[in-house]
Amino acid sequence: DIVMTQSPSSLAVSAGETVTINCKSSQSLLSSGNQKNYLAWYQQKPGQSPKLLIYLASTRESGVPDRFIGSGSGTDFTLTISSVQAEDLADYYCQQHYSYYTFGAGTKLELK
Amino acid sequence: EVQLVESGGGLVQPGRSLKLSCVASGFTFSNYGMNWIRQAPGKGLEWVAYISSGSSYIYYAETVKGRFTISRDNAKNTLYLQMTSLRSEDTALYYCARSGTTRPLAYWGQGTLVTVSS
Repeated sequence: DIVMTQSPSSLAVSAGETVTINCKSSQSLLSSGNQKNYLAWYQQKPGQSPKLLIYLASTRESGVPDRFIGSGSGTDFTLTISSVQAEDLADYYCQQHYSYYTFGAGTKLELK
Repeated sequence: EVQLVESGGGLVQPGRSLKLSCVASGFTFSNYGMNWIRQAPGKGLEWVAYISSGSSYIYYAETVKGRFTISRDNAKNTLYLQMTSLRSEDTALYYCARSGTTRPLAYWGQGTLVTVSS
């Protein structure tokens, strides 16, 4: 099974800062067939269901602000949130969708 | 509008069984693979099981293999999760979610809470 290692587990930020969340997979998520990386990012606010933000490593879901940027390839991936807003305070999870699904342990984004 | 509504959760004793349901609307249910994902209180997300659109392909997390059974009734637009030999560590909010070919889990229900305790 593919193991997803996410860091940091929590992050305290001020509004307007840029933050980076990292995700590493135990094997490559790059498909040799289509050269796409099967890595997604989700946002979960308290009391709500998770929301898909980014899939295929860098494709933003419809309606997701462009301050959310996904990058990376192979086994190393990053979610960057530029100019963090108060509404971005939430838990963030990476997930591989290359072979079934596996989630990272999550990153809690808190206010400094 | 895509809607997924889970039900069937509750308090159950260790070793007993419980069956969850997820009713889908707003899309052609028979065209999509479906999943169960769970989240223990205060913890992260754990994928539990997947079933393909026609039930030909079924996969489980190792933690539930042999105890849980995912199934679907496309005529009733309903996804199921039969859970047996329940353990305290199965206590969680159980979500159903729709799979996509490239958009993995774009739609989620609100979840149904399962509490395993004596």
